[in-house]
Amino acid sequence: QVQLVQSGPELKKPGASVKVSCRASGYPFTTYAVNWVRQAPGQGLEWIGFINTKTGKPTFAQGFTGRFVFSLDTSVNTAYLQINSLKAEDTAIYYCARDHGVARLDNWGQGTLVTVSS
Amino acid sequence: QSVLVQPPSASGTPGQRVTVSCSGGGSNIGSNNVNWYQQLPGTAPKLLIYTNNQRPAGVPDRFSGSKSGTSASLAISGLQSEDEADYYCAAWDDGLNGVVFGGGTKLTVL
Repeated sequence: QVQLVQSGPELKKPGASVKVSCRASGYPFTTYAVNWVRQAPGQGLEWIGFINTKTGKPTFAQGFTGRFVFSLDTSVNTAYLQINSLKAEDTAIYYCARDHGVARLDNWGQGTLVTVSS
Repeated sequence: QSVLVQPPSASGTPGQRVTVSCSGGGSNIGSNNVNWYQQLPGTAPKLLIYTNNQRPAGVPDRFSGSKSGTSASLAISGLQSEDEADYYCAAWDDGLNGVVFGGGTKLTVL
């Protein structure tokens, strides 16, 4: 069955970087894009962007350009989200999700809590 | 302030029918399909309705979706206690060139 498994929780200081992984299984990895979604504590879902797993081309939502980086390692069916120059307001659960097309995110990872605190 | 507007809360008693609305504009709901997600407490979101009114395998037919113009609705009939969750609408926005979510509706089963 389709599964997306994310890396464990992270505690980082402001200004540091973090890299979250999302390993996919149960389907041909390069067939579907991988989206990233953020959920701050007690808040709603916020779309960060997606990466085309065939070409590696990223697309970012407004407000997520510059510090956010998407990457892939297709040899291990894994997508990555790296956040640089972390700020306290980046504290959130970050989810990866398989993109079946046009906002149809049909399988989600379990989420990775990133806490930014001095 | 979310691009798609949902009521922050909704409630109903077991067995009742409840609806959750989602209001957008011409660049999102007006020209693209709407998807709905259910997030049970402490868990990842799950796709509940796609392409306005389609249910993924395993989703009970108590859940239904509809779209008209620049608005969409999620209906839950025969409300059950396990339906208590947050519900989000989402659509592609042609102007923003990205996915937009509603702010979410917290459903309480009384």
